[in-house]
Amino acid sequence: GAGVSQSPSNKVTEKGKDVELRCDPISGHTALYWYRQSLGQGLEFLIYFQGNSAPDKSGLPSDRFSAERTGGSVSTLTIQRTQQEDSAVYLCASSPGTATGSVHFGNGTRLTVT
Amino acid sequence: GQSLEQPSEVTAVEGAIVQINCTYQTSGFYGLSWYQQHDGGAPTFLSYNALDGLEETGRFSSFLSRSDSYGYLLLQELQMKDSASYFCAVYNQGGKLIFGQGTELSVKP
Repeated sequence: GAGVSQSPSNKVTEKGKDVELRCDPISGHTALYWYRQSLGQGLEFLIYFQGNSAPDKSGLPSDRFSAERTGGSVSTLTIQRTQQEDSAVYLCASSPGTATGSVHFGNGTRLTVT
Repeated sequence: GQSLEQPSEVTAVEGAIVQINCTYQTSGFYGLSWYQQHDGGAPTFLSYNALDGLEETGRFSSFLSRSDSYGYLLLQELQMKDSASYFCAVYNQGGKLIFGQGTELSVKP
């Protein structure tokens, strides 16, 4: 596709439920990032995939959060047993490689946990 | 660990020049990027510095001093549409990209 695609764009879920957020990066981009942004706040790093290397999971806030990237392309961020503090916009970004200077963001998934 | 500091908000008038500073602490520094984010939108890339000095792209310029762990974004001939949040972000040598908390720029008529 022309850009990074994220789905769903909005997700409302009940506390305690599991959610899956999907990211389709730009074709050919080897690097993929997940960030979380609460209202009026900065971008909190969650996880980074680069090619076939082991992902950098250092930003995942708890073991309820996990992510995978299949075939070096599509990525899924899974949040288990959601809590109200998980409510935020989850942003995915991709780039052609390491330190190319720019990443391209999707429009994000707005997650609301009630 | 990694940390970035930038002012939380800046106000300026149309036509003016504004500078948004960013200081950082990181291991394995590779480069400094700047992103713009309008309310409700996704961040978009503005500029990147891997080497010391000034990079100019139209009305926007970005500067880096690796020895001072410092950079800035310079916006000239401010327009109302420049009202947005601006983020500095640090790349480390592994390709990890960490963002600052952002600077909210308000441009007044």
